[in-house]
Amino acid sequence: LAKTTQPISMDSYEGQEVNITCSHNNIATNDYITWYQQFPSQGPRFIIQGYKTKVKNEVASLFIPADRKSSTLSLPRVSLSDTAVYYCLVGNGNTGFQKLVFGTGTRLLVSP
Amino acid sequence: DAGVIQSPRHEVTEMGQEVTLRCKPISGHNSLFWYRQTMMRGLELLIYFNNNVPIDDSGMPEDRFSAKMPNASFSTLKIQPSEPRDSAVYFCASSSDSDQPQHFGDGTRLSIL
Repeated sequence: LAKTTQPISMDSYEGQEVNITCSHNNIATNDYITWYQQFPSQGPRFIIQGYKTKVKNEVASLFIPADRKSSTLSLPRVSLSDTAVYYCLVGNGNTGFQKLVFGTGTRLLVSP
Repeated sequence: DAGVIQSPRHEVTEMGQEVTLRCKPISGHNSLFWYRQTMMRGLELLIYFNNNVPIDDSGMPEDRFSAKMPNASFSTLKIQPSEPRDSAVYFCASSSDSDQPQHFGDGTRLSIL
């Protein structure tokens, strides 16, 4: 399973754009990149998933360079409610089963 | 639509007692996952079911832990006998297929005294 590395914590202010970068140097050909968000006392919540280039939804954007050894989750104009832990995961698509290995995640703190 | 439903939300019991955690996956989802989250070890996958059949139980810590999925709408995780080191938040998740994003419940916070 590909290991991921991401910053332990980040600080931001309301209204700013936040970019969280994740390294996954040994990503396999069939692996997808998935990001989850977790609030205290809740289960992780799926944010976005991608394979290459750029993916965008109503919540975030995901940028993946051509070599796929890293990815960047972009949150536009964050609010206080975006304070959470963000996990970057790489799934092993070869087995048809995304055995997700959650690392320590990035703890994002958004201040007024 | 109802999400993944777990019960109980909180459980406090004495060591040696049997603990049963319950999960109702999202209707129509054919994959179900049990996770455990602690401060020390983070979020760990315990077991994965596909179409009610256990596929990967390599994360189950020891024989005291067992999981069943008697039908598509219900799963249990049982610990017998329980120990203080089993204290954690246990999450259940489901997905529409094994390679699709997982939807998590709000977890069961288990405290073994």
